Amino acid sequence: AQTVTQSQPEMSVQEAETVTLSCTYDTSESDYYLFWYKQPPSRQMILVIRQEAYKQQNATENRFSVNFQKAAKSFSLKISDSQLGDAAMYFCAYRREGSQGNLIFGKGTKLSVKP
Amino acid sequence: SAVISQKPSRDICQRGTSLTIQCQVDSQVTMMFWYRQQPGQSLTLIATANQGSEATYESGFVIDKFPISRPNLTFSTLTVSNMSPEDSSIYLCSVRGGSEKLFFGSGTQLSVL
Repeated sequence: AQTVTQSQPEMSVQEAETVTLSCTYDTSESDYYLFWYKQPPSRQMILVIRQEAYKQQNATENRFSVNFQKAAKSFSLKISDSQLGDAAMYFCAYRREGSQGNLIFGKGTKLSVKP
Repeated sequence: SAVISQKPSRDICQRGTSLTIQCQVDSQVTMMFWYRQQPGQSLTLIATANQGSEATYESGFVIDKFPISRPNLTFSTLTVSNMSPEDSSIYLCSVRGGSEKLFFGSGTQLSVL
């Protein structure tokens, strides 16, 4: 069975600094998708970034980028120029190719941003 | 991206009662998904709802406890039946959009006394 592990329950970053959130996963599949979701106190799950396993190039969305290491089954999220609005729970998630909507989520990392 | 509306946003219920959660999407979608997020935990898929057929439930979830309706391509309901305090969770519906992305509603915060 696939699993997703986020080893950092909490992280803290100074405003305008850079922070990296870790995620590892376990799968025997070769085709899959990886995601990072942000959940602020409003409960809304917001998609931050997505990575296809077949792509070697790391995905980037503005201040958010990933370091995808397929062989190591690692998928970390880097947030540059952190802003107060980045404070939230961040969930790493996995979905295998062909699975319509079954995302496997990690337990999350609570990110605090200090002014 | 899809716009997903969920109602109610929160509710406090007595044990033994049932609550129906509604999910409305602004576009037609084949599949809708219902997730549960227990306090301090991650999200777990409850079931997949297809229009015109019975929902498909994940291991650990049964239709008698979580009946789902899917009357058309933009709407679904999830009922939490015979509630107990262990059912206190956030319930979220989601749909799959373009580029393999999964979008979520704002969730229903349920507290069972």
